[in-house]
Amino acid sequence: NAGVMQNPRHLVRRRGQEARLRCSPMKGHSHVYWYRQLPEEGLKFMVYLQKENIIDESGMPKERFSAEFPKEGPSILRIQQVVRGDSAAYFCASSPSGPEQYFGPGTRLTVT
Amino acid sequence: QKEVEQDPGPLSVPEGAIVSLNCTYSNSAFQYFMWYRQYSRKGPELLMYTYSSGNKEDGRFTAQVDKSSKYISLFIRDSQPSDSATYLCAMTSNTGNQFYFGTGTSLTVIP
Repeated sequence: NAGVMQNPRHLVRRRGQEARLRCSPMKGHSHVYWYRQLPEEGLKFMVYLQKENIIDESGMPKERFSAEFPKEGPSILRIQQVVRGDSAAYFCASSPSGPEQYFGPGTRLTVT
Repeated sequence: QKEVEQDPGPLSVPEGAIVSLNCTYSNSAFQYFMWYRQYSRKGPELLMYTYSSGNKEDGRFTAQVDKSSKYISLFIRDSQPSDSATYLCAMTSNTGNQFYFGTGTSLTVIP
């Protein structure tokens, strides 16, 4: 059973470009969470999705950020018009239900 | 005040020592308490979780929750160099919509 997969692992974007981060949950998991991790700041919740639904997006900036988890295919975290402050590691986690979350290896976004 | 407070360390112990890692929190609605281990440049790995107050043991790891004090602990017995990592506590309420993480404690076990 493959774990949570994220791609790309590293992404470099220039200011103003778009970043698309993908997350394939573990087989049988219908809950996906996205987090941002900055050095010395720990993991910050961004958004919680179930298939085709956003359940809680209270941790996600209102501007430029969006997330989806379509019926088919991976979950996507999309950042439009990236700025230097968006540089961070972005992790997704999947869960069958309940508190158990299984994390992917992360995508490290660098904005130049 | 942060939802979850965790001493960042770093913590350095000799091999075989007992390690105690702790977090405090402010939200009395939290019901599930998790501990994760994160190696450098990797994703967090779930070690164990507990519900409400009490103890839970899994091999060399013991998790304790004291809801009256809003204080949780992770004990590692017979620590090994392979335990060297950053340990993150996390917690959530019954709805499980949002998970709150501590900033992590960096642990080094010296052979």
